[in-house]
Amino acid sequence: GAGVSQSPSNKVTEKGKDVELRCDPISGHTALYWYRQRLGQGLEFLIYFQGNSAPDKSGLPSDRFSAERTGESVSTLTIQRTQQEDSAVYLCASSKGSQETQYFGPGTRLLVL
Amino acid sequence: AQSVTQLGSHVSVSEGALVLLRCNYSSSVPPYLFWYVQYPNQGLQLLLKYTSAATLVKGINGFEAEFKKSETSFHLTKPSAHMSDAAEYFCAVSANTDKLIFGTGTRLQVFP
Repeated sequence: GAGVSQSPSNKVTEKGKDVELRCDPISGHTALYWYRQRLGQGLEFLIYFQGNSAPDKSGLPSDRFSAERTGESVSTLTIQRTQQEDSAVYLCASSKGSQETQYFGPGTRLLVL
Repeated sequence: AQSVTQLGSHVSVSEGALVLLRCNYSSSVPPYLFWYVQYPNQGLQLLLKYTSAATLVKGINGFEAEFKKSETSFHLTKPSAHMSDAAEYFCAVSANTDKLIFGTGTRLQVFP
C-alpha cells in the first residue's frame, strides 16, 4: 500500500500570502500528525488528529496556523499571512491509532520570501 | 514534560567502524523512545522503538539501542558502518501522549 503523501513537495511564497499544505495519510490510519522542521533543528509538533476526537492543537505556534481533517482521510495545514520565520519543512505522519508507530511523509518544503 | 538531548550534531566514522549516536531523555513517566533516520530528500523512517519490553532493542539495517533508565539514555549503535548509513538520525520520546518530542538530530558521515 501507499505511504503517507504530501503536496506540494516544494512551495515558494511571498511574505503575507496564505498557503495550504496537504497530507494524505495511509489508508485506515486514524491518527494524523503535523510537525515542522526548521533548518538545523529537530522536529516540532504542531497538531494531532485522532478519529472524531477534538484535535490536540497545543503545538501550533500562532493563530495564523490552522489545520483541518476530513474524517479519517486528508488533512490540510493552512498558514495565513506567512512570515519568513515560517520557512521550514512541514512533515505529516499517520498511525493506526493512539500510541502506534508514526509513519512520515516526505514533507513540504516551504520558503517564504 | 519530556525532552530529548542528542549529543553531537555531527558524527564522522570510517566505513567498518563502530557507530555510536548518543541520546539522553527526560521524562516524568515511563517513556516510549524512538530512533528515526532521514535520508537526503526523504521522509523519516523508523529505525527502532522501545516500549517498556526488552531494554535492548534491535532495529533495521543492523542498528540497535539500549534503554538505560539509570542513565536516562537510549544510545544508538551499529557495529560496522556502511557508506549507506550516511544520513541524519533523530531520537524521540513519547510519554502518555501521542505526540513525539524530537531531539535536534545527529548527522552521520561515513568515510571510505
